[in-house]
Amino acid sequence: KAGVTQTPRYLIKTRGQQVTLSCSPISGHRSVSWYQQTPGQGLQFLFEYFSETQRNKGNFPGRFSGRQFSNSRSEMNVSTLELGDSALYLCASSLDTTSGNTIYFGEGSWLTVV
Amino acid sequence: AQSVTQLGSHVSVSEGALVLLRCNYSSSVPPYLFWYVQYPNQGLQLLLKYTTGATLVKGINGFEAEFKKSETSFHLTKPSAHMSDAAEYFCAVSYSGGYQKVTFGTGTKLQVIP
Repeated sequence: KAGVTQTPRYLIKTRGQQVTLSCSPISGHRSVSWYQQTPGQGLQFLFEYFSETQRNKGNFPGRFSGRQFSNSRSEMNVSTLELGDSALYLCASSLDTTSGNTIYFGEGSWLTVV
Repeated sequence: AQSVTQLGSHVSVSEGALVLLRCNYSSSVPPYLFWYVQYPNQGLQLLLKYTTGATLVKGINGFEAEFKKSETSFHLTKPSAHMSDAAEYFCAVSYSGGYQKVTFGTGTKLQVIP
């Protein structure tokens, strides 16, 4: 069974640009969540989607957005990139939003903003 | 609100020695607790989780953790450290009821000294 797949794995963008990251969850998983990981802030929750609806949102500015498609694949977008957006962006999937379900992580997308 | 505190951002042990990584949680309702491991340049992998039932939970790679409600703790242990255990470990909590939102601790980097 394929795991959570994130693309691209590595990318470099310039300040002011925008970026779209993609995530394909484990087959059958309908919940997708996104996290930002930086050395200074650790793992921070961005948002969670279930059945194409955003269920939870973390404390990030509106420049960070996401969506989920009918096949459960998800994308997140960051507009007007800032240097501080350089981070590892992790996608995770789970069967549904029931608490206690294990969330499975992808290997992440490394974003560098220059 | 739920939160997780991991004591010690860096822990060093000798190969063959006991590994003890500390995690305390705060939750107003019964928690679900997780330990994840992250190897360099990879995503997070589930080591073990506690939902209900037996308070001593065994995970992969010889790790185990004990849920102690009276101490609000979920410390991770392994009797004998191996070089391959060198990684960053994250404790996480979610709560029963409502939509799943997992809160992660700040992580503990484990160094294993030969």
